[in-house]
Amino acid sequence: GENVEQHPSTLSVQEGDSAVIKCTYSDSASNYFPWYKQELGKRPQLIIDIRSNVGEKKDQRIAVTLNKTAKHFSLHITETQPEDSAVYFCAASNGDSGYSTLTFGKGTMLLVSP
Amino acid sequence: GAVVSQHPSWVICKSGTSVKIECRSLDFQATTMFWYRQFPKQSLMLMATSNEGSKATYEQGVEKDKFLINHASLTLSTLTVTSAHPEDSSFYICSAERDRQGALYEQYFGPGTRLTVT
Repeated sequence: GENVEQHPSTLSVQEGDSAVIKCTYSDSASNYFPWYKQELGKRPQLIIDIRSNVGEKKDQRIAVTLNKTAKHFSLHITETQPEDSAVYFCAASNGDSGYSTLTFGKGTMLLVSP
Repeated sequence: GAVVSQHPSWVICKSGTSVKIECRSLDFQATTMFWYRQFPKQSLMLMATSNEGSKATYEQGVEKDKFLINHASLTLSTLTVTSAHPEDSSFYICSAERDRQGALYEQYFGPGTRLTVT
Protein backbone atom coordinates (compact mmCIF):
# COMPACT_ATOMS: atom_id res chain seq x y z
CA GLY A 1 0.00 0.00 0.00
CA GLU A 2 0.84 3.67 -0.07
CA ASN A 3 3.32 5.12 2.43
CA VAL A 4 3.67 8.87 2.94
CA GLU A 5 6.62 10.39 4.76
CA GLN A 6 6.45 13.98 5.97
CA HIS A 7 9.20 16.29 7.21
CA PRO A 8 9.88 18.11 9.39
CA SER A 9 7.74 17.07 12.34
CA THR A 10 7.98 20.56 13.82
CA LEU A 11 8.84 23.87 12.19
CA SER A 12 9.31 27.18 13.96
CA VAL A 13 9.54 30.39 11.95
CA GLN A 14 9.32 34.12 12.56
CA GLU A 15 6.35 36.02 11.26
CA GLY A 16 6.95 37.04 7.68
CA ASP A 17 9.33 34.17 6.93
CA SER A 18 8.55 31.35 4.52
CA ALA A 19 7.81 27.80 5.58
CA VAL A 20 8.32 24.66 3.54
CA ILE A 21 6.99 21.20 4.37
CA LYS A 22 8.00 18.20 2.31
CA CYS A 23 6.37 14.84 1.68
CA THR A 24 7.34 11.75 -0.25
CA TYR A 25 5.09 8.94 -1.36
CA SER A 26 5.75 5.39 -2.44
CA ASP A 27 2.94 4.41 -4.81
CA SER A 28 3.58 5.70 -8.32
CA ALA A 29 -0.13 5.23 -9.07
CA SER A 30 -1.11 7.98 -6.61
CA ASN A 31 -2.53 10.91 -8.51
CA TYR A 32 -4.05 13.29 -5.97
CA PHE A 33 -2.16 15.14 -3.24
CA PRO A 34 -4.10 17.33 -0.80
CA TRP A 35 -2.78 19.35 2.12
CA TYR A 36 -4.82 19.80 5.28
CA LYS A 37 -4.49 22.28 8.13
CA GLN A 38 -5.69 21.17 11.54
CA GLU A 39 -5.98 23.42 14.53
CA LEU A 40 -6.06 21.87 17.97
CA GLY A 41 -9.25 19.89 18.57
CA LYS A 42 -10.72 20.83 15.23
CA ARG A 43 -11.34 19.15 11.91
CA PRO A 44 -8.72 19.03 9.15
CA GLN A 45 -9.37 21.74 6.59
CA LEU A 46 -8.34 21.31 2.97
CA ILE A 47 -6.09 24.24 2.10
CA ILE A 48 -4.73 23.27 -1.29
CA ASP A 49 -4.42 20.20 -3.49
CA ILE A 50 -2.65 19.16 -6.63
CA ARG A 51 -3.28 16.46 -9.17
CA SER A 52 -0.66 14.47 -10.99
CA ASN A 53 -1.11 16.26 -14.29
CA VAL A 54 0.09 19.54 -12.75
CA GLY A 55 3.53 20.47 -11.43
CA GLU A 56 2.67 23.50 -9.35
CA LYS A 57 -0.36 25.23 -7.97
CA LYS A 58 -0.63 28.50 -6.10
CA ASP A 59 -3.33 30.13 -4.03
CA GLN A 60 -2.31 33.48 -2.56
CA ARG A 61 0.38 32.78 0.07
CA ILE A 62 0.19 29.02 -0.35
CA ALA A 63 1.74 26.95 -3.10
CA VAL A 64 2.26 23.26 -3.70
CA THR A 65 4.78 21.64 -6.03
CA LEU A 66 4.82 18.08 -7.27
CA ASN A 67 7.69 16.06 -8.70
CA LYS A 68 6.22 12.82 -10.01
CA THR A 69 9.54 11.38 -11.03
CA ALA A 70 10.99 11.74 -7.56
CA LYS A 71 7.62 11.05 -5.92
CA HIS A 72 7.67 14.05 -3.68
CA PHE A 73 5.53 17.12 -3.16
CA SER A 74 5.94 20.19 -1.01
CA LEU A 75 3.86 22.90 0.64
CA HIS A 76 5.20 26.43 0.57
CA ILE A 77 3.75 29.16 2.77
CA THR A 78 5.09 32.68 2.23
CA GLU A 79 4.79 35.70 4.51
CA THR A 80 3.74 33.52 7.42
CA GLN A 81 1.39 34.89 10.03
CA PRO A 82 0.69 33.73 13.61
CA GLU A 83 -2.69 32.39 12.50
CA ASP A 84 -0.85 29.98 10.21
CA SER A 85 0.24 28.11 13.35
CA ALA A 86 -1.33 24.66 13.21
CA VAL A 87 -0.56 21.06 12.28
CA TYR A 88 -0.31 20.47 8.56
CA PHE A 89 -0.88 17.06 7.00
CA CYS A 90 -0.03 15.95 3.50
CA ALA A 91 -1.83 13.04 1.93
CA ALA A 92 -1.80 10.97 -1.21
CA SER A 93 -4.46 8.94 -2.94
CA ASN A 94 -5.31 7.08 -6.10
CA GLY A 95 -8.88 7.77 -7.09
CA ASP A 96 -8.91 5.43 -10.04
CA SER A 97 -10.02 2.52 -7.89
CA GLY A 98 -13.48 4.02 -7.57
CA TYR A 99 -13.01 6.10 -4.47
CA SER A 100 -10.06 7.93 -3.02
CA THR A 101 -8.48 6.45 0.08
CA LEU A 102 -6.19 9.06 1.59
CA THR A 103 -2.93 8.04 3.18
CA PHE A 104 -1.72 10.77 5.52
CA GLY A 105 1.73 11.84 6.54
CA LYS A 106 2.47 12.12 10.25
CA GLY A 107 1.98 15.86 10.29
CA THR A 108 4.08 18.97 10.79
CA MET A 109 3.45 21.33 13.67
CA LEU A 110 4.10 24.85 12.37
CA LEU A 111 4.71 27.56 14.95
CA VAL A 112 4.82 31.14 13.72
CA SER A 113 6.19 33.57 16.27
CA PRO A 114 5.15 37.23 16.15
CA GLY B 1 -21.10 23.97 0.24
CA ALA B 2 -19.53 20.65 1.25
CA VAL B 3 -20.42 20.66 4.93
CA VAL B 4 -20.06 17.54 7.03
CA SER B 5 -21.48 17.27 10.52
CA GLN B 6 -20.83 14.78 13.29
CA HIS B 7 -22.84 14.00 16.37
CA PRO B 8 -22.12 13.95 19.21
CA SER B 9 -19.10 16.26 19.40
CA TRP B 10 -18.00 14.60 22.60
CA VAL B 11 -19.16 11.66 24.69
CA ILE B 12 -18.12 10.06 27.95
CA CYS B 13 -19.20 6.48 28.54
CA LYS B 14 -18.52 3.67 30.94
CA SER B 15 -16.42 0.69 30.00
CA GLY B 16 -18.52 -2.05 28.40
CA THR B 17 -21.17 0.20 26.90
CA SER B 18 -21.69 1.00 23.23
CA VAL B 19 -21.53 4.41 21.60
CA LYS B 20 -22.94 5.48 18.24
CA ILE B 21 -21.45 8.35 16.26
CA GLU B 22 -23.27 9.87 13.29
CA CYS B 23 -21.68 11.48 10.25
CA ARG B 24 -23.82 13.49 7.86
CA SER B 25 -23.11 15.31 4.62
CA LEU B 26 -25.42 18.29 4.82
CA ASP B 27 -25.40 19.74 1.33
CA PHE B 28 -24.13 17.03 -0.94
CA GLN B 29 -24.50 13.33 -1.54
CA ALA B 30 -21.66 11.11 -0.43
CA THR B 31 -21.43 7.65 -1.90
CA THR B 32 -18.31 7.08 0.12
CA MET B 33 -17.52 8.11 3.68
CA PHE B 34 -14.42 7.40 5.69
CA TRP B 35 -13.85 6.89 9.40
CA TYR B 36 -10.58 7.91 11.02
CA ARG B 37 -9.18 7.73 14.50
CA GLN B 38 -6.70 10.27 15.77
CA PHE B 39 -4.74 9.93 19.00
CA PRO B 40 -3.20 13.03 20.61
CA LYS B 41 -0.38 14.55 18.58
CA GLN B 42 -0.67 11.85 15.94
CA SER B 43 -1.88 11.64 12.40
CA LEU B 44 -5.24 10.47 11.13
CA MET B 45 -5.44 6.71 10.85
CA LEU B 46 -8.03 5.34 8.47
CA MET B 47 -10.25 2.78 10.18
CA ALA B 48 -12.70 1.92 7.44
CA THR B 49 -14.28 3.00 4.20
CA SER B 50 -18.05 3.13 4.16
CA ASN B 51 -19.97 2.78 0.92
CA GLU B 52 -23.69 3.44 0.73
CA GLY B 53 -25.64 0.24 0.42
CA SER B 54 -22.74 -2.14 0.91
CA LYS B 55 -20.52 -3.47 3.65
CA ALA B 56 -17.71 -1.32 4.94
CA THR B 57 -14.10 -2.07 4.09
CA TYR B 58 -11.95 -2.18 7.20
CA GLU B 59 -8.25 -1.45 7.40
CA GLN B 60 -5.91 -4.11 8.68
CA GLY B 61 -5.97 -4.36 12.44
CA VAL B 62 -9.40 -2.78 12.87
CA GLU B 63 -11.95 -5.16 14.38
CA LYS B 64 -15.13 -5.06 12.31
CA ASP B 65 -17.19 -6.60 15.10
CA LYS B 66 -16.08 -3.89 17.50
CA PHE B 67 -16.45 -0.92 15.18
CA LEU B 68 -19.75 -1.37 13.39
CA ILE B 69 -20.33 0.86 10.40
CA ASN B 70 -23.63 1.43 8.66
CA HIS B 71 -23.98 3.67 5.62
CA ALA B 72 -27.74 3.81 5.40
CA SER B 73 -28.14 6.64 2.90
CA LEU B 74 -26.16 8.94 0.67
CA THR B 75 -25.94 11.48 3.50
CA LEU B 76 -25.53 9.39 6.64
CA SER B 77 -22.96 6.96 7.97
CA THR B 78 -22.78 5.73 11.56
CA LEU B 79 -19.95 4.24 13.59
CA THR B 80 -20.84 2.21 16.66
CA VAL B 81 -18.10 1.42 19.12
CA THR B 82 -19.30 -1.73 20.85
CA SER B 83 -18.23 -2.76 24.33
CA ALA B 84 -16.00 0.27 24.61
CA HIS B 85 -12.86 0.15 26.73
CA PRO B 86 -10.51 2.90 27.91
CA GLU B 87 -8.09 2.16 25.07
CA ASP B 88 -10.84 3.11 22.62
CA SER B 89 -10.73 6.67 23.93
CA SER B 90 -9.76 8.82 20.98
CA PHE B 91 -10.84 11.51 18.54
CA TYR B 92 -12.99 9.94 15.82
CA ILE B 93 -13.35 11.90 12.60
CA CYS B 94 -15.40 11.09 9.55
CA SER B 95 -15.02 12.44 6.06
CA ALA B 96 -17.23 12.36 3.02
CA GLU B 97 -16.23 12.26 -0.59
CA ARG B 98 -18.36 14.44 -2.79
CA ASP B 99 -20.01 12.75 -5.75
CA ARG B 100 -17.43 12.47 -8.48
CA GLN B 101 -19.44 14.49 -10.91
CA GLY B 102 -18.86 17.40 -8.56
CA ALA B 103 -15.30 17.56 -7.30
CA LEU B 104 -13.11 14.59 -7.94
CA TYR B 105 -11.42 13.03 -4.92
CA GLU B 106 -12.04 15.84 -2.46
CA GLN B 107 -12.81 14.72 1.06
CA TYR B 108 -14.55 16.98 3.53
CA PHE B 109 -14.11 16.28 7.20
CA GLY B 110 -16.57 16.35 10.03
CA PRO B 111 -15.70 18.23 13.24
CA GLY B 112 -14.83 15.03 15.06
CA THR B 113 -16.13 13.24 18.13
CA ARG B 114 -14.07 13.06 21.31
CA LEU B 115 -14.76 9.71 22.97
CA THR B 116 -13.68 9.12 26.54
CA VAL B 117 -14.26 5.71 28.06
CA THR B 118 -14.00 5.54 31.84
